[in-house]
Amino acid sequence: KAGVTQTPRYLIKTRGQQVTLSCSPISGHRSVSWYQQTPGQGLQFLFEYFSETQRNKGNFPGRFSGRQFSNSRSEMNVSTLELGDSALYLCASSFASGIGEQYFGPGTRLTVT
Amino acid sequence: LAKTTQPISMDSYEGQEVNITCSHNNIATNDYITWYQQFPSQGPRFIIQGYKTKVTNEVASLFIPADRKSSTLSLPRVSLSDTAVYYCLVGDDFGNEKLTFGTGTRLTIIP
Repeated sequence: KAGVTQTPRYLIKTRGQQVTLSCSPISGHRSVSWYQQTPGQGLQFLFEYFSETQRNKGNFPGRFSGRQFSNSRSEMNVSTLELGDSALYLCASSFASGIGEQYFGPGTRLTVT
Repeated sequence: LAKTTQPISMDSYEGQEVNITCSHNNIATNDYITWYQQFPSQGPRFIIQGYKTKVTNEVASLFIPADRKSSTLSLPRVSLSDTAVYYCLVGDDFGNEKLTFGTGTRLTIIP
């Protein structure tokens, strides 16, 4: 079956702009989690959505938000971009919430200039 | 949330068995232990998961002692393609906790 897909794969934005990233989970998976990965901070959890409800949220400012649609597809939005938001944003899907096996997408590489 | 501690880096030669240990002293009764592998510019890939004793699959084994305060990922006969970062995670399957990957262990296989 098809894996997790993320669009776009690469993105360049300017400080102050906003950005929306999209994630399509594996068919049948209801949980979608988002992570930010940077060389300095490693892989950090942003939030998890399960059946359109946010289950957990990491320690990120309110500029980072997300949502999940009825077909389990998810979007994350970052408003008022800062240089420090430059990172690889990874989406992972799983059948259930929690520590069950997660399948990661290829990520979206965001560069903020 | 149980915190995990792993070695920052390890080197090994091709063909050897590699053991990476993860400490999780505050593991809770409902927590499972999961390991992921990540190559540069790719998302992590699930390797193995266990609750206690030993679990084995086609790529690795996971050893968990009775007190469950640590776990060891064992990779048999490593090759250059096993060079990656390995993460240990601890959490329950109820979805009540955010999953923390930690710093991981950077494994380098030497030819």
